[in-house]
Amino acid sequence: QPVLTQPPSASASLGASVTLTCTLSSDYSSYKVDWYQERPGKGPRFVMRVGGSGIVGSKGDGIPDRFSGLGSGLNRYLTIENIQEDDESDYHCAADHGSGNNFVYVFGTGTKVTVL
Amino acid sequence: QVLLQESGPGQVKPSETLSLNCTVSGGSVSSGSYYWGWIRQPPGKGLEWIGSVYFTGNTYYNPSLKSRITIFVDTSKNQFSLKLHSVAVADTAVYFCARWDVLLGGGYDYWGQGTRVIVSS
Repeated sequence: QPVLTQPPSASASLGASVTLTCTLSSDYSSYKVDWYQERPGKGPRFVMRVGGSGIVGSKGDGIPDRFSGLGSGLNRYLTIENIQEDDESDYHCAADHGSGNNFVYVFGTGTKVTVL
Repeated sequence: QVLLQESGPGQVKPSETLSLNCTVSGGSVSSGSYYWGWIRQPPGKGLEWIGSVYFTGNTYYNPSLKSRITIFVDTSKNQFSLKLHSVAVADTAVYFCARWDVLLGGGYDYWGQGTRVIVSS
């Protein structure tokens, strides 16, 4: 199954952009990842699914256009443009692997985004 | 609007069984378009997938927890449930229930707000 690696932290000034990276372990370059935003007291929010060619399907409910996704090689990116104070949160990526009885869903360790 | 709400005890003793329910409103657990899952987050740590269930009763479990968990649906109550047996302090976490939309191609698109469970004697 894939291992997903995320840097522990990222930061950007209010109104600037930040790009978060989720790196898949080798041999999993075709995999898509799901991005989630933590929301204290509310449960995580689905942001989008990102494959090697970019966003797959629709973004989650209420996710603004400022959020975009790209993929390259083993990396899956989530970019937040014109970052707002509300965007300060932990962001997790996850990927599914296998099917049937072998299905698993694995999360990365998360990246804490700070708005300066 | 789909809403998921976890319920269960806030504290469980070591070696006992943790039982949690997730009540779904605004949607049906009997729908073939969704899987229903459990995810947890220990204090200060990341998210961990526990497992999921389909309306047919088919289940998919995290291999690291498989020997201790049971997930099932109760269509009469529009709920699905988690049982985690032989709990230990390391099972202390916020437990979330969530919906996986098959038609979206994947990802848990709706989550409950989470319920905090402490394992302590």
